[in-house]
Amino acid sequence: GQQLNQSPQSMFIQEGEDVSMNCTSSSIFNTWLWYKQDPGEGPVLLIALYKAGELTSNGRLTAQFGITRKDSFLNISASIPSDVGIYFCAGPNQAGTALIFGKGTTLSVSS
Amino acid sequence: NAGVTQTPKFQVLKTGQSMTLQCAQDMNHEYMSWYRQDPGMGLRLIHYSVGAGITDQGEVPNGYNVSRSTTEDFPLRLLSAAPSQTSVYFCASRQSGTYEQYFGPGTRLTVT
Repeated sequence: GQQLNQSPQSMFIQEGEDVSMNCTSSSIFNTWLWYKQDPGEGPVLLIALYKAGELTSNGRLTAQFGITRKDSFLNISASIPSDVGIYFCAGPNQAGTALIFGKGTTLSVSS
Repeated sequence: NAGVTQTPKFQVLKTGQSMTLQCAQDMNHEYMSWYRQDPGMGLRLIHYSVGAGITDQGEVPNGYNVSRSTTEDFPLRLLSAAPSQTSVYFCASRQSGTYEQYFGPGTRLTVT
């Protein structure tokens, strides 16, 4: 079945550093979404990507839809302590009836 | 709008007990889903619904039942709880024509 593979699994960075994480699959996706989950909360949508090659920003966050349609990247610039959390990539299942998620990248930021 | 709401927030069950996790949304979304989240496993799809009266199984449906009698509500039933069902459960919804999905705050379930 479809699987989304996220890397790295976890990151420990200093405040002010830039962060890059990615999501890959052996299947083609027509939509990629990136979510963030704060501790004890539900995931919140950060960015949605709909076209191969698309580059979309949301404040300090930038996400890209890979040209092959099999990967996506999320970058965070000038990290701050509130960036701490788990970042998930997601895409629609083959029938388009539900979203499937990667296992997440856990980000820790030290000040 | 309250968005997606879930009750209870916390629950402890004994093995073999049954319970229903409630989920409601006030955005008139057609699509609703249930996920469970376990450490290191990400969000795994349990069941989903594309509209009232229509449900289907996700990746990990065993031990769970769902029904969708109204657009607003999508309860998840555990008929005979097992320790392996200890997890955090999230309900989510979205409008048809978009994949932008909104999550509830979650229910933390412990089965002893």
